Amino acid sequence: GAVVSQHPSWVICKSGTSVKIECRSLDFQATTMFWYRQFPKQSLMLMATSNEGSKATYEQGVEKDKFLINHASLTLSTLTVTSAHPEDSSFYICSALGGTGWAEAFFGQGTRLTVV
Amino acid sequence: GESVGLHLPTLSVQEGDNSIINCAYSNSASDYFIWYKQESGKGPQFIIDIRSNMDKRQGQRVTVLLNKTVKHLSLQIAATQPGDSAVYFCAENPSGYALNFGKGTSLLVTP
Repeated sequence: GAVVSQHPSWVICKSGTSVKIECRSLDFQATTMFWYRQFPKQSLMLMATSNEGSKATYEQGVEKDKFLINHASLTLSTLTVTSAHPEDSSFYICSALGGTGWAEAFFGQGTRLTVV
Repeated sequence: GESVGLHLPTLSVQEGDNSIINCAYSNSASDYFIWYKQESGKGPQFIIDIRSNMDKRQGQRVTVLLNKTVKHLSLQIAATQPGDSAVYFCAENPSGYALNFGKGTSLLVTP
């Protein structure tokens, strides 16, 4: 299957700082990528849909000024958590639709963010 | 809103037994369903999918059953192995776009 790479796999940052997470499709082009957030022992919650060359679409309740998404190329989407606080600590996961154009999504390995 | 849910939050099985993980969905417009396996600290891994025009699909040691009448989905794992221990999520695609995930079932395989 298609490969999606996420970086970093884990990061620790201080409150008030910003953290950037990258999501790359390695062997296919992804016009659409998705960003999810997952708290311990919970399911994945969609945060936003990242569209190449246009603004991201955010789910209700997700602050677009806090979670900045940039999808500047067909293989890279970035999520920047701005002015991070401890409550932003979570597991962030990206996914991209496969090259077949169907709905199968391939996931990155996730990024564990800890804000101290 | 409409959502995907699971009947059992945890499931413990003995190695070699068959496992059945269930999922209920409520959006009748969903036409594509996927089962994912997630190991601790990792992203979801695709297991098997099924489209709404099918009621059964088989893979290697896994079978997905879809009952559209009662909006029920199940994942059957044959001869469960310790490496199958993980959290399993069903996901539906009601709009052909972003996936909607269920709550997840933790599968524990004991020797």
